[in-house]
Amino acid sequence: GAGVSQSPSNKVTEKGKDVELRCDPISGHTALYWYRQSLGQGLEFLIYFQGNSAPDKSGLPSDRFSAERTGGSVSTLTIQRTQQEDSAVYLCASSMGRGGSPLHFGNGTRLTVT
Amino acid sequence: GENVEQHPSTLSVQEGDSAVIKCTYSDSASNYFPWYKQELGKGPQLIIDIRSNVGEKKDQRIAVTLNKTAKHFSLHITETQPEDSAVYFCARGYNFNKFYFGSGTKLNVKP
Repeated sequence: GAGVSQSPSNKVTEKGKDVELRCDPISGHTALYWYRQSLGQGLEFLIYFQGNSAPDKSGLPSDRFSAERTGGSVSTLTIQRTQQEDSAVYLCASSMGRGGSPLHFGNGTRLTVT
Repeated sequence: GENVEQHPSTLSVQEGDSAVIKCTYSDSASNYFPWYKQELGKGPQLIIDIRSNVGEKKDQRIAVTLNKTAKHFSLHITETQPEDSAVYFCARGYNFNKFYFGSGTKLNVKP
């Protein structure tokens, strides 16, 4: 596709429910990142996938957060038993990886936990 | 450490004036420094970047300078226009992997 696509663009959920956020990276990009942006704040690194290597999960804030990337393309970020503090914009970015292009971001998913 | 310190957090300038945003880092292995512009409701968009073997890079009204010894880099916008109003983020990376971002600068250009 032309750019990084994220869905849904907005998600409202009740506290305690599970949510799945989807990211379609730019075709051919081997690296994929998830960031979290709380209201008026910077970008908090969550997880990074590079090709077939084991993902770098060092930024995940708790074991309620997980992510997978199927077939080296689409990625899903799952948040289980959502809490109000999970409310934020979740941004996905992709790049060509080592020696390649910089990050290209999607427009994010705005998650609101009520 | 991982953090990138970014200042100021907010910046208000008159149209036509210059704007400067500064970032510092501590990881000497960092070799790539991009700047992103984020408009309301959108994801960050790359506006300029610089690699550690270069001290300055310019693209029309935007320039970035890097002092690798002092571990700081800056974004300079000249002849600001209202459409430059946005949040700007600096970032650092190593060989394009695992980027760390500053906390952002909200730039307001007053007409």
